[in-house]
Amino acid sequence: KQEVTQIPAALSVPEGENLVLNCSFTDSAIYNLQWFRQDPGKGLTSLLLIQSSQREQTSGRLNASLDKSSGRSTLYIAASQPGDSATYLCAVKGQGAQKLVFGQGTRLTINP
Amino acid sequence: KAGVTQTPRYLIKTRGQQVTLSCSPISGHRSVSWYQQTPGQGLQFLFEYFSETQRNKGNFPGRFSGRQFSNSRSEMNVSTLELGDSALYLCASSWDTGFHTQYFGPGTRLTVL
Repeated sequence: KQEVTQIPAALSVPEGENLVLNCSFTDSAIYNLQWFRQDPGKGLTSLLLIQSSQREQTSGRLNASLDKSSGRSTLYIAASQPGDSATYLCAVKGQGAQKLVFGQGTRLTINP
Repeated sequence: KAGVTQTPRYLIKTRGQQVTLSCSPISGHRSVSWYQQTPGQGLQFLFEYFSETQRNKGNFPGRFSGRQFSNSRSEMNVSTLELGDSALYLCASSWDTGFHTQYFGPGTRLTVL
């Protein structure tokens, strides 16, 4: 059974810092991994999707990497801004399974 | 292009009642998945529909059911509501299953009293 863990559960940093969020999964037989952002009381916004054959994806100030063999992914946020404050979730889709398994998320606060 | 829409956005019910939630996917998307989000359990997969057929089902009791219509709109139904069913119910759509990104709606906040 796939399990996804995100560390840390919460993170508070001053504006302008570069930061890394971590995600680990127990079964390396994944189809893809997706990072989402969730604002309080809202739905999920897809940030980046990495296919199992890829090593990283970039979008603006965001960069996500995937190391399938070690069961890890990182989300790098450059030059953080207060608007980046949200909960960040990673989710994996297993091979042969058409569902996403989510981590518990990292609650990120960027202080002005 | 309009995003995923869910109705209603908020719902209050009492124990024992039943409820139906609706999801309209992005135009052209044929896959619709449902998830339940609670503070204790996080996000958990309920089921996925593709072309009116249920493809996958999560570990939820039979009180949770769903369906998909020919226009890809989907509904989920929860019968005999329990207090523990209070949650944010999220719907996600994608063009197909597999490697396509899933796009989530704003969710329906269900409170069971």
